[in-house]
Amino acid sequence: EIVLTQSPATLSLSPGERATLSCRASQSVSRYLAWYQQKPGQAPRLLIYDASTRATGIPARFSGSGSGTDFTLTISSLEHDDFAVYYCLQRYIWPPGTFGPGTKVDLK
Amino acid sequence: EEQLVESGGGLLQPGGSLRLSCAASGFSISNHWMHWVRQVPGKGLMWVARINTDLSTTNYADSVKGRFTISRDNARNTLYLQMDSLGAEDTAVYYCARERHLLQHDYMDVWGKGTTVIVSS
Repeated sequence: EIVLTQSPATLSLSPGERATLSCRASQSVSRYLAWYQQKPGQAPRLLIYDASTRATGIPARFSGSGSGTDFTLTISSLEHDDFAVYYCLQRYIWPPGTFGPGTKVDLK
Repeated sequence: EEQLVESGGGLLQPGGSLRLSCAASGFSISNHWMHWVRQVPGKGLMWVARINTDLSTTNYADSVKGRFTISRDNARNTLYLQMDSLGAEDTAVYYCARERHLLQHDYMDVWGKGTTVIVSS
């Protein structure tokens, strides 16, 4: 089973700042990695797939990079709507599907 | 609008059974693999099960294998999750999600709002 590790667990930032979130896989997942955003009481929303492709309707301030075992989600300039929990998900080997434990981006 | 709506959650005692439903609208589930994902309140996401388009392939997380059964009725445009021998560890919000091919691979791109299952004596 591929294990995903996300860091940091919590990121405390202010609006306008840059957020850099990391996702590391226990073995290579090629570029088959997605990022999801989840706000309290809501379902996850697909942000990024294939490591770097923005899903439909996702603002350009969200970008993804990486391949193999190391991936990054960057939010170039945080807006109030971006404070949420972010999960990575690998699609290289399924089953089982594995999510990372999440990174919470909260207001400093 | 493409939408998934879960139902069937509730409060039940350990050892009980429950069937969750996930009704799709705005698209046909017959063209998509479908998934169930759960989330313990305040915790992360855990994939539970998936089913292919013609019901010939199902996969389960080890923690639910032998107790949960995923199924679908393409004519009714509905996905199901039969949950038996429930324990407190199954308490969670259960989401259904659609899988769709995007560029290089397949990803869960449409999610329902979830239905809550609480297992407690």
